[in-house]
Amino acid sequence: QVQLQESGPGLVKPSETLSLTCTVSGSSMTNTDWSWIRQPPGKGLEWIGSVSPTGITSHSPSLESRVSISVDTPKKQFSLRLTSVTAADTAVYYCARRQDCSGGSCYSYPWFDPWGQGTLVIVSS
Amino acid sequence: DIQMTQSPSSLSASVGDRVTITCRASERISTYLNWYQQKPGKAPKLLIYVTSILQNGVPSRFSGSASGTDFTLTITSLKPEDFATYYCQQSYSSPPTFGQGTKVEIK
Repeated sequence: QVQLQESGPGLVKPSETLSLTCTVSGSSMTNTDWSWIRQPPGKGLEWIGSVSPTGITSHSPSLESRVSISVDTPKKQFSLRLTSVTAADTAVYYCARRQDCSGGSCYSYPWFDPWGQGTLVIVSS
Repeated sequence: DIQMTQSPSSLSASVGDRVTITCRASERISTYLNWYQQKPGKAPKLLIYVTSILQNGVPSRFSGSASGTDFTLTITSLKPEDFATYYCQQSYSSPPTFGQGTKVEIK
């Protein structure tokens, strides 16, 4: 069973860089893309970006200038860096597998499953 | 970006009720619409992908359908464990976008 676990500081100062790592267990990382999604307290879900096993990334246009996502498949980890954070970046950050095959069938457009438990990152001085 | 609009934003229902949640896409997304359930303090959980395919282990009282750019999540005979917030998400176009959520509360 695939499991994901986020780790990283829970408090980041404004203007600094948020760094999180997601560790994958129960599956190889080589067959699919991996994603970061966040949820501000009491609000909805926002896709941040995804990374392929070979390191090809895609990012939300609204965050693109501040986001970098990397992958380390031998260590079974992928990471998020978000620079120049403000209070608006306070959120629960989730990592998730971006999947497009299930039960022997594959589709052109993916879904997110499973998700990590999430980690709350507060931006405050 | 494709906008996903869910209705209602919240609803109150009783155990045993039939519940319908609608998600409207701002443009065509074919059938590439997924549904997630989120309980307080927990991560979202995939319920349905590609409009109507139930994820393994999801009870058959959950179902999904579509008509044009309108998508529907139906829960027949609501159970206590179904009280949660539900999100739709389109994967047809990047960036993937989510609806704002529908909170299903106990009446």
